Amino acid sequence: AQSVTQLGSHVSVSEGALVLLRCNYSSSVPPYLFWYVQYPNQGLQLLLKYTTGATLVKGINGFEAEFKKSETSFHLTKPSAHMSDAAEYFCAVSDLPPQGGSEKLVFGKGTKLTVNP
Amino acid sequence: DADVTQTPRNRITKTGKRIMLECSQTKGHDRMYWYRQDPGLGLRLIYYSFDVKDINKGEISDGYSVSRQAQAKFSLSLESAIPNQTALYFCATSGTGDNEKLFFGSGTQLSVL
Repeated sequence: AQSVTQLGSHVSVSEGALVLLRCNYSSSVPPYLFWYVQYPNQGLQLLLKYTTGATLVKGINGFEAEFKKSETSFHLTKPSAHMSDAAEYFCAVSDLPPQGGSEKLVFGKGTKLTVNP
Repeated sequence: DADVTQTPRNRITKTGKRIMLECSQTKGHDRMYWYRQDPGLGLRLIYYSFDVKDINKGEISDGYSVSRQAQAKFSLSLESAIPNQTALYFCATSGTGDNEKLFFGSGTQLSVL
């Protein structure tokens, strides 16, 4: 069975600083990996996903994540934080491809990002 | 208008009451889901439906039931609410194909006293 561990339930950065949100996964088969973001009082929305191919994945709002099989990691980064990035971020893993496997998504517990002026 | 609409946005009820949370979508998706979110626990899947006649239990279905009234409507019921069902509930939809992803509603905050 798959699982996801997000290191750090709360991360605080200054505006303009690097954002690094950590995610490690466990999967017995090649994983499909996702990052979702939840802004205050909203539902989750997809930031980016890794399926196959290029291990560096670019998403919306300047975020990117790199799949590292040897480290079983899929950390989310953004070079320069903006106040509008303040939200909760969820890493998720599935053992089924995105086209037809959303019910198999396993979510991490979330990391709340605070951006200080 | 939102693609995935949940009603109500907030609900306070008492232990033992029957509660229904409703979800409707305009995305034309066949697949619909109900999740609950608890602080520090992430999202957990309660039920999912691939079409009107196909309903499946998720990770934490005990104490819940669902009804898929139409392609666009998927309701979640708590037959006899208990305090540990206090949570934020999300409905989501997804299509199929290479661009499949979950589209979430804004959530229903349910408090059971």
